[in-house]
Amino acid sequence: LAKTTQPISMDSYEGQEVNITCSHNNIATNDYITWYQQFPSQGPRFIIQGYKTKVTNEVASLFIPADRKSSTLSLPRVSLSDTAVYYCLVGDGDTGFQKLVFGTGTRLLVSP
Amino acid sequence: GAVVSQHPSRVICKSGTSVKIECRSLDFQATTMFWYRQFPKQSLMLMATSNEGSKATYEQGVEKDKFLINHASLTLSTLTVTSAHPEDSSFYICSANGLAGGGSYEQYFGPGTRLTVT
Repeated sequence: LAKTTQPISMDSYEGQEVNITCSHNNIATNDYITWYQQFPSQGPRFIIQGYKTKVTNEVASLFIPADRKSSTLSLPRVSLSDTAVYYCLVGDGDTGFQKLVFGTGTRLLVSP
Repeated sequence: GAVVSQHPSRVICKSGTSVKIECRSLDFQATTMFWYRQFPKQSLMLMATSNEGSKATYEQGVEKDKFLINHASLTLSTLTVTSAHPEDSSFYICSANGLAGGGSYEQYFGPGTRLTVT
């Protein structure tokens, strides 16, 4: 299972763009990269998933370089409600994610 | 997107009793479900993989006789904490694999169950 490394915490202000980078040096060919958001006392919520290059949805963008050994979650114009823990995970997207191993996650604090 | 529910959302029990937590996939079938435990300010820790129609696979250090898992159907997995003790107090989260858009899979997580053992 590919291990991921991400910053423990980040601080930002409302309206700013936040970029959280995750390292996954041992990513396998079939692995997809998925980011989850978790609020206190709630289950993780899917944010975005990608395999290579760039993926964008209504809430975030995911940038993946050609070597796929890292990825960056970009949150445009964050608000106070984006304060949460963000987890980067990798897993085999072709056959179903088996045994997701959660790292420390990044605790994002958005201030007024 | 796919929905996974858990019941109960919160439970308080006395030390020595058993507690059952249900995890349901509401709009899709899940041959595999996962159970996690999360202590305050910590990350999710995988406890076991629940396989429909077969025995669960437990992670190292997780007592299978204490945390009984049953996956009797394609939409339901249960976790029973037997002879609960205060140190079992935690946030228990289940997840289920499902097909996402584009043909890839993703794990859908339940809302979690807060267990407090007094």
